[in-house]
Amino acid sequence: NAGVTQTPKFQVLKTGQSMTLQCAQDMNHEYMSWYRQDPGMGLRLIHYSVGAGITDQGEVPNGYNVSRSTTEDFPLRLLSAAPSQTSVYFCASKLGNEQYFGPGTRLTVT
Amino acid sequence: GQQLNQSPQSMFIQEGEDVSMNCTSSSIFNTWLWYKQDPGEGPVLLIALYKAGELTSNGRLTAQFGITRKDSFLNISASIPSDVGIYFCAGQLLTGTASKLTFGTGTRLQVTL
Repeated sequence: NAGVTQTPKFQVLKTGQSMTLQCAQDMNHEYMSWYRQDPGMGLRLIHYSVGAGITDQGEVPNGYNVSRSTTEDFPLRLLSAAPSQTSVYFCASKLGNEQYFGPGTRLTVT
Repeated sequence: GQQLNQSPQSMFIQEGEDVSMNCTSSSIFNTWLWYKQDPGEGPVLLIALYKAGELTSNGRLTAQFGITRKDSFLNISASIPSDVGIYFCAGQLLTGTASKLTFGTGTRLQVTL
């Protein structure tokens, strides 16, 4: 049981490039979410999904897209990266009231 | 967006000392959660609180859900070097899978020998 896994662990992009951050969980949790963590800001919710085929926006969704075609996977897409998207990204899945986080992806946009 | 006020922002303590941190909100929550984040890792759940006034312990950690449902505190007794990290509070209004968490800004704890 690997829990929540994220790839890659580190990524450097140039402004305007696109990429997908991968997230998978093997706990059969319906709820999955993406957060970004910036210094002094805590964790802010980007997008979330309450089940396969259902996604919704969180607090800071602009510049990010998500899809949820399976229960296990919840990728986060940056269509045109901007320096303001430099951050650490965490994927999480939730069962009831308890949320489990992945190890994070550190993204730098130059 | 809403964020919880968490204090202090950082703490430098000596091994063996007790630590206290708290979180306040202008909104009511039905669940309070406390997480710890080690460097380079994702947050890990420490304690979950589900009822106003509830006091829960997990080893050297004790957390309380405030009576007003707008605050919570976390105490760590007899700190050790592995307590180093960032501690986050999180509040949740609704119960169940579909509800969203609101996180505090974190308390960075440093423990010196």
